[in-house]
Amino acid sequence: DIQMTQSPSTLSASVGDRVTISCRASQSVSSWLAWYQQKPGKVPKLLIHKASSLHTGVPSRFSGSGSGTDFALTISSLQPDDFATYHCQQYIGYPLTFGGGTKVEIK
Amino acid sequence: EVQLVESGGGLVQPGGSLRLSCAASGFMLSDHYMEWVRQAPGKGLEWVGRTRNKANSYTTEYAASVKGRFTISREESTNSLFLQMNSLKSEDTAVYHCVRGPRGEVVAGSAVYFFPMDVWGQGTTVTVCS
Repeated sequence: DIQMTQSPSTLSASVGDRVTISCRASQSVSSWLAWYQQKPGKVPKLLIHKASSLHTGVPSRFSGSGSGTDFALTISSLQPDDFATYHCQQYIGYPLTFGGGTKVEIK
Repeated sequence: EVQLVESGGGLVQPGGSLRLSCAASGFMLSDHYMEWVRQAPGKGLEWVGRTRNKANSYTTEYAASVKGRFTISREESTNSLFLQMNSLKSEDTAVYHCVRGPRGEVVAGSAVYFFPMDVWGQGTTVTVCS
């Protein structure tokens, strides 16, 4: 199985901060990595696919980077609506696997 | 509007069975791979299984933790997806989401392109407890 490890598990930041979340795969997933945003009590929403492609309607302050085993999600200027948990997921190998999640909290 | 609505969750004793349903609207279920993903209380997301689309004969894949106990099926006439869960264990307690997967992989020359799951249902809660 491909293990996905996210860091940090919790991140405290202020509105306007630049924020970066890391995701590491236990073996190469090429660029077949997605990021999801999940707000409390809500379902995950697709933000980014193929490591760096923004999903339709996602604000441009979100960006993704990386390939192989190391990936990052960056929010260029954190907005109040961005406080949420972010999940990475690889979709090249079975079982499909998710990272443990990174909670972005208000500082 | 694309929508997925799950139902069928509830409280069941260990060793029991439950059948979850997912009603899809706004798109043809048969065109898409469909996934079940669960989230235990306070935990992360765990993929449960997948059924490929009609073009790929509705074949299935399962997580090791549920293989042999859970079965994914579809009903074209009602545009619905199902998850039959047998021999339930306490560790199966979670919110179960039906998720729309891709239309399949795209092969272009020697390259294969994959696509993520994109639309999630609100989920239905399964509690396994004696």
